[in-house]
Amino acid sequence: GENVGLHLPTLSVQEGDNSIINCAYSNSASDYFIWYKQESGKGPQFIIDIRSNMDKRQGQRVTVLLNKTVKHLSLQIAATQPGDSAVYFCAETPSGFQKLVFGTGTRLLVSP
Amino acid sequence: GAVVSQHPSRVICKSGTSVKIECRSLDFQATTMFWYRQFPKQSLMLMATSNEGSKATYEQGVEKDKFLINHASLTLSTLTVTSAHPEDSSFYICSARRDQETQYFGPGTRLLVL
Repeated sequence: GENVGLHLPTLSVQEGDNSIINCAYSNSASDYFIWYKQESGKGPQFIIDIRSNMDKRQGQRVTVLLNKTVKHLSLQIAATQPGDSAVYFCAETPSGFQKLVFGTGTRLLVSP
Repeated sequence: GAVVSQHPSRVICKSGTSVKIECRSLDFQATTMFWYRQFPKQSLMLMATSNEGSKATYEQGVEKDKFLINHASLTLSTLTVTSAHPEDSSFYICSARRDQETQYFGPGTRLLVL
């Protein structure tokens, strides 16, 4: 049966669509943010990062947007592919602080 | 660059035995490594921060005598689960910090205690 309380938010998209995954962070002192992708049975994989002196940063097919006013972070994936299916975690940390604080994660399901 | 390995990838052991998991940074030196535990469909839970040449810093609620961490070199940290019990079954993941903040993760070790 289903595990109560172990439900990840899920975003389902069609192949070729653009995906937007959102993350709210709580620590106003955080000034460094990372997005990780975790495939089933594997460790998290670094995707892209951004510092608080920026609002936007682009990588290959991915864009991270940071809104410090409302403490919101988003990851945009262009032309989503089935290989993008995974759980995506945001992580935050204040500068010089060793530990990362992870969000709860969002599962992205891409259907052909 | 920034490759982190873990060994073993999967281990099954009997209750009461100890299991050692290795974490290596393959192409960079890591003064700081981290050990996480992850339950199914949940986020990563930090267990401890491991600094090369010094004692590990454990998170609240993590037993240091249960989860022994050694970080003897700039490329190797080990986690030993002592006297393992079925409730210790989990996915253990390490990470290594290459620069000031960015952590790169290993592939994880799935531990099953019978």
